[in-house]
Amino acid sequence: EVQLLESGGGLVQPGGSLRLSCAASGFTFSGFAMSWVRQAPGKGLEWVSSISGTGGNTYYADSVKGRFTFSRDNSENTLYLQMNSLRAEDTAVYYCARSYYGSGTYNPLDYWGQGTLVTVSS
Amino acid sequence: EIVLTQSPATLSLSPGERATLSCRASQSVSRYLAWYQQKPGQAPRLLIYDTSNRATGIPARFSGSGSGTDFTLTISGLEPEDFAVYHCQQRSAWPITFGQGARLEIK
Repeated sequence: EVQLLESGGGLVQPGGSLRLSCAASGFTFSGFAMSWVRQAPGKGLEWVSSISGTGGNTYYADSVKGRFTFSRDNSENTLYLQMNSLRAEDTAVYYCARSYYGSGTYNPLDYWGQGTLVTVSS
Repeated sequence: EIVLTQSPATLSLSPGERATLSCRASQSVSRYLAWYQQKPGQAPRLLIYDTSNRATGIPARFSGSGSGTDFTLTISGLEPEDFAVYHCQQRSAWPITFGQGARLEIK
């Protein structure tokens, strides 16, 4: 059974940093591109970042480019989202999700974690 | 970036009726459009990918159509569990974008 479990969310002050993790199981992790998608309270979905199966290619939304870094450890079946210079508008539930097609195609997203809440506030 | 506009924002129907949700793209996304269903407090669930392909385990009452800039999600014979928020998403070009979401509520 495919499982994705996010962790690392919490309350952080503006300008602060946080690292999210997503532990994956139930599939050949390195064979799939992965993504982060966030959802601000009461709002729609916003794509944040995607990474290839090898980790060699990453893509970012303009809203997070230069502040967030998406990486993966295929030996540990884990994704990481390092978030720096956090702003109030980064407040959201962050979901990790798996690409339906595998390593070279980043979307659509067929399995999602339960999400982890990041709150940026003083 | 490609903007996806969903309509209507809210659709009120009764169980058994047919629901039609629209997603319009600001430029062509070919057939690279997906639909997701999201219930309160839950993660989104993939329903339809590449316009008309049902994801694994999705009932046949869900269908998708369209191409280019205009797409439709149809739910034939609404079941109580279908009342939720629906999101469209394009993967034709970076950045990946989602529509603003459309709420399907019980009338």
